[in-house]
Amino acid sequence: DGGITQSPKYLFRKEGQNVTLSCEQNLNHDAMYWYRQDPGQGLRLIYYSQIVNDFQKGDIAEGYSVSREKKESFPLTVTSAQKNPTAFYLCASTYSSGRARPRGTQYFGPGTRLTVL
Amino acid sequence: SQQGEEDPQALSIQEGENATMNCSYKTSINNLQWYRQNSGRGLVHLILIRSNEREKHSGRLRVTLDTSKKSSSLLITASRAADTASYFCATDASLTFGKGTMLLVSP
Repeated sequence: DGGITQSPKYLFRKEGQNVTLSCEQNLNHDAMYWYRQDPGQGLRLIYYSQIVNDFQKGDIAEGYSVSREKKESFPLTVTSAQKNPTAFYLCASTYSSGRARPRGTQYFGPGTRLTVL
Repeated sequence: SQQGEEDPQALSIQEGENATMNCSYKTSINNLQWYRQNSGRGLVHLILIRSNEREKHSGRLRVTLDTSKKSSSLLITASRAADTASYFCATDASLTFGKGTMLLVSP
């Protein structure tokens, strides 16, 4: 089955700890994205990557870091510098034909709900 | 910067009624997409309409696009309780999403 997976589904973290959220896709998509969603809110872009070994900051990158060492994987680390990390995190991917106008149809993972205790 | 803005923020209807939600955007686009999100889940792509199309159908979904007004609408006909979800629009000109329209369909 082709798709995009995120793990874990629920994650609890103590304040001051870094935590890494996993995102894997087997759709052979070039571009991958991380979004944050707070209750009753839209999706805010954290980071995105158009190609392996390259990524760009989104609107709310502070306190987060990413890597893109493999086409299939785009892990997100929520660092202790992120002041309010409790949220629902969504990963997405899309086929990208180039850097200009990169977004085609996005395929989303099921999300990871992070709670900081 | 935010591109798609959905309206209304919330919509409550009875089963069998039609639901219409709207989307406005700011810059020129090549395509516009509608997505659905059930509570606590990821977004699911519903339909994509290209800038040279004015209307598109998919099952009970009908999407229109007016590029002169920079707006789109999503119509769900004969709604069902299972249509209860949040609906988002997005364009190829931006990587952001608005707050969506929360649709509640009561039996």
